[in-house]
Amino acid sequence: DAGITQSPRHKVTETGTPVTLRCHQTENHRYMYWYRQDPGHGLRLIHYSYGVKDTDKGEVSDGYSVSRSKTEDFLLTLESATSSQTSVYFCAISNPNQEQYFGPGTRLTVT
Amino acid sequence: DQQVKQNSPSLSVQEGRISILNCDYTNSMFDYFLWYKKYPAEGPTFLISISSIKDKNEDGRFTVFLNKSAKHLSLHIVPSQPGDSAVYFCAARQIQGAQKLVFGQGTRLTINP
Repeated sequence: DAGITQSPRHKVTETGTPVTLRCHQTENHRYMYWYRQDPGHGLRLIHYSYGVKDTDKGEVSDGYSVSRSKTEDFLLTLESATSSQTSVYFCAISNPNQEQYFGPGTRLTVT
Repeated sequence: DQQVKQNSPSLSVQEGRISILNCDYTNSMFDYFLWYKKYPAEGPTFLISISSIKDKNEDGRFTVFLNKSAKHLSLHIVPSQPGDSAVYFCAARQIQGAQKLVFGQGTRLTINP
């Protein structure tokens, strides 16, 4: 298994509160990604990073920000959580063969 | 605009038979395709991939076929086993992209004993 961990694994928060999800890798890969998975939509890219302090938006980036201050950590922040951000969030890394490997996921519920 | 589509939300197959999962795409700039398998409460796991310069790639019980003219790929699982019951996602990568993947909606495969 690729060395990817996510924390927390489950979180319940209230509308309007800030939330930060953490992804940690031990593979020293350059590329890291944040996705959300929702029924009927598959996996949709939120943001990705191609190096320390190098990030870019995905297809559903509104309401989310990211930071990468170290190769091994990629943080996803919801500045003010909304109910539409209730989802399962997956972090992924990309190996040199360009295959992405996923973490175990974080289930976020915004009430 | 769904660039990668899996039109069958679910598929039920008898154990031992062949499972065929389909995926269509619209973007001719995709050059690499992947299949992922996902069990409940786990992250997706990489299964098999194929480059656009090939039309077939095989790995044990899993074979992926690519028909570029039809913009269609399929995953064949032979023989199907109960442990294959999962959600399967196809994904595509754009040429010269930043290693970003576009995923289909997923197909839930159920293998019946």
